[in-house]
Amino acid sequence: DTAVSQTPKYLVTQMGNDKSIKCEQNLGHDTMYWYKQDSKKFLKIMFSYNNKELIINETVPNRFSPKSPDKAHLNLHINSLELGDSAVYFCASSWKVTGSEQFFGPGTRLTVL
Amino acid sequence: QKEVEQNSGPLSVPEGAIASLNCTYSDRGSQSFFWYRQYSGKSPELIMFIYSNGDKEDGRFTAQLNKASQYVSLLIRDSQPSDSATYLCAVLTSGGSYIPTFGRGTSLIVHP
Repeated sequence: DTAVSQTPKYLVTQMGNDKSIKCEQNLGHDTMYWYKQDSKKFLKIMFSYNNKELIINETVPNRFSPKSPDKAHLNLHINSLELGDSAVYFCASSWKVTGSEQFFGPGTRLTVL
Repeated sequence: QKEVEQNSGPLSVPEGAIASLNCTYSDRGSQSFFWYRQYSGKSPELIMFIYSNGDKEDGRFTAQLNKASQYVSLLIRDSQPSDSATYLCAVLTSGGSYIPTFGRGTSLIVHP
């Protein structure tokens, strides 16, 4: 069984469109994250939720809106997509906020044309 | 701005040698330190974590932490071609939110 899963794996879309990425973890973890990895492989935290509560929101344009319907799911909705949004988006989860390892999903490669 | 610095490499070592990967961090309040391995086109996976000063060994891997000098390193003994990947240093900084900060990664190439 996949621990952290993301859908879709690939997403190709036009500028200005709105798209969503979904993430689910079956590990029973309390904390989930969204990361963006750019073309230079820099992995940067975007958001983190702990038990459905937003705890990290790192200088991300408000076109990006996370939503956690329950602690096993964390979705990312992106409005008015721009060329610079092209990247790989990783979802991750960990047991708790403090000091525990993160388990990453397979990533969603977003290409904005 | 809390930063985690790594030499981007590539670091090239012959098979069987010791690979030494280094990482420095700026936030003295950092508490937890992680090394992740990322193969091309794949997601990061944890190699080791370390919380206390000193060395921590797990098989061929040794993590070293020196909080006074604000650096953490990863040694890979008996390097294998399958170790060729990008190694990401991650630091969990404090300040209420325990924000994970990743370095840009060091590319390791182990040649036969």
